[in-house]
Amino acid sequence: QQQVKQSPQSLIVQKGGISIINCAYENTAFDYFPWYQQFPGKGPALLIAIRPDVSEKKEGRFTISFNKSAKQFSLHIMDSQPGDSATYFCAASKGQGAQKLVFGQGTRLTINP
Amino acid sequence: GAVVSQHPSWVICKSGTSVKIECRSLDFQATTMFWYRQFPKQSLMLMATSNEGSKATYEQGVEKDKFLINHASLTLSTLTVTSAHPEDSSFYICSAREGNTIYFGEGSWLTVV
Repeated sequence: QQQVKQSPQSLIVQKGGISIINCAYENTAFDYFPWYQQFPGKGPALLIAIRPDVSEKKEGRFTISFNKSAKQFSLHIMDSQPGDSATYFCAASKGQGAQKLVFGQGTRLTINP
Repeated sequence: GAVVSQHPSWVICKSGTSVKIECRSLDFQATTMFWYRQFPKQSLMLMATSNEGSKATYEQGVEKDKFLINHASLTLSTLTVTSAHPEDSSFYICSAREGNTIYFGEGSWLTVV
């Protein structure tokens, strides 16, 4: 019940295309769902996060779509650029505020120029 | 966003020695910090939750006596790997909670030779 399952494991997208990464969870107590971007040798950087009271959140080229009934959420990167090539992790936590995060397995995204 | 700093960025130590990694919240106070371990091409594994002024809470399977955590102030947590062995070589990342958001440090590479 603590797991967050992420797919795909790797993804290749052409420059200008849309990158879509999916995550699914089982624990309905989760109430905070962030996405992190990690470049090789660096720590994860927070991209965008959502709470279950909204179905979508957009920040620039990044959008989170959240489906509470299906217990799924996804990250969409519009107009993908080579600089977006990185590993992306979804995560989830429960409780008031951001408690300890449960991470997905990660998606290695490559944007071809 | 908030800044979390780790030091050192990388360290090489001899087998059997101890090494300390520092995690600092630079522009905010963090009553709670988290320590993760990440192997190459894998996700982040939570090791322990560091609470200011009290004992750390370790995840199942993490040796408390091997990975000593101290959170002596609202801006500093330290992880000491005691009697390090080559299998302890890894990327160690800390994070700190500010309000409802968790921010990560840049990580520390530990190589035990």
